[in-house]
Amino acid sequence: DAGITQSPRHKVTETGTPVTLRCHQTENHRYMYWYRQDPGHGLRLIHYSYGVKDTDKGEVSDGYSVSRSKTEDFLLTLESATSSQTSVYFCAISPVVSNYGYTFGSGTRLTVV
Amino acid sequence: KNEVEQSPQNLTAQEGEFITINCSYSVGISALHWLQQHPGGGIVSLFMLSSGKKKHGRLIATINIQEKHSSLHITASHPRDSAVYICAVRATGNQFYFGTGTSLTVIP
Repeated sequence: DAGITQSPRHKVTETGTPVTLRCHQTENHRYMYWYRQDPGHGLRLIHYSYGVKDTDKGEVSDGYSVSRSKTEDFLLTLESATSSQTSVYFCAISPVVSNYGYTFGSGTRLTVV
Repeated sequence: KNEVEQSPQNLTAQEGEFITINCSYSVGISALHWLQQHPGGGIVSLFMLSSGKKKHGRLIATINIQEKHSSLHITASHPRDSAVYICAVRATGNQFYFGTGTSLTVIP
């Protein structure tokens, strides 16, 4: 989507290895979110950020950490990947006040083997 | 327990039909979102509602706060409307909850 980029788009990693996913925005939006999407569960919030160095946990935060050192970048880290973290990860952004809600990234498909 | 329930889960319609997708939620909310996800995975935000009704082209979204219910309507449906439609709420405690989606197929 215009203004938001996720990297990598696909990744295969081994159990126990650290993994970092990157979300980069050019919209200068204050809020950034990380979600995972799994069959039967829909989208679930992992962590979100409401400003530089300001983050909070979502519904499924265990096993994940985040960092936001700059407005434009929001990193999601799996410290020690497990097979249960195989999923599609979406980043989203929103301004403080919006009539149109979120803008989503294209997603990262992560497979932990 | 799902804080957000959508119905139907799957929907097949003929091109031109009027379509309604329903969303019910059980928490207090500050906003409700309708999202569209096409095959291939991209997610697009269609509407954000906190009251009343919004219209964008052939799409109309309504919300009844008292009944904790929202509907997404598609008029004159077209095969390009085929997608998964997701209802999401931002609860008053700042938590976010998502429905599991309604898979819509519009047949030419």
